Amino acid sequence: RKEVEQDPGPFNVPEGATVAFNCTYSNSASQSFFWYRQDCRKEPKLLMSVYSSGNEDGRFTAQLNRASQYISLLIRDSKLSDSATYLCVVTNPGNQFYFGTGTSLTVIP
Amino acid sequence: DGGITQSPKYLFRKEGQNVTLSCEQNLNHDAMYWYRQDPGQGLRLIYYSQIVNDFQKGDIAEGYSVSREKKESFPLTVTSAQKNPTAFYLCASSQTEGLGQYFGPGTRLTVL
Repeated sequence: RKEVEQDPGPFNVPEGATVAFNCTYSNSASQSFFWYRQDCRKEPKLLMSVYSSGNEDGRFTAQLNRASQYISLLIRDSKLSDSATYLCVVTNPGNQFYFGTGTSLTVIP
Repeated sequence: DGGITQSPKYLFRKEGQNVTLSCEQNLNHDAMYWYRQDPGQGLRLIYYSQIVNDFQKGDIAEGYSVSREKKESFPLTVTSAQKNPTAFYLCASSQTEGLGQYFGPGTRLTVL
């Protein structure tokens, strides 16, 4: 069973739309949670950490549900520049990082 | 500027040759990691190091070797034993548990 699973998409949404991605993880002892963004042929970049209380950064909102072992990312008012692959990441005790395969988003004019 | 550098950006090698990829960080991070990414796939962990002079195998260590003689540097050698070495190689570092990883720009290795 994979440590982290994501719907690969692709998600094709019009500008201004709201889009949500979900991710599930298998290890209940997972400690830290993140969303990364990866542009085509570039390195992943940290988008935001995810906390149990939920957290927001501008148009982006991340949520963690420990009981159901999933995390989510909500993007409001999508921009063309949001087009990228979004990676869900969890860490286990020992600070080993596990990456999902990513969800592809294309924002259409 | 603080960050992680990888060199070269593109690398071409003949089959059967060993090649070493460079990774340097000036973030004063203790932990460093090497990943491989194949087209349309996720990141797979090759090796990681939590401290100088110590490193651990990841999920796909066969055909690779590393060293961690300095905190700032974590070079990866792709040996001739690696069956499918052509890939995008990413180096990352992190500090304390609970904080994210930061990636270098990557090296695209093509073995001809």
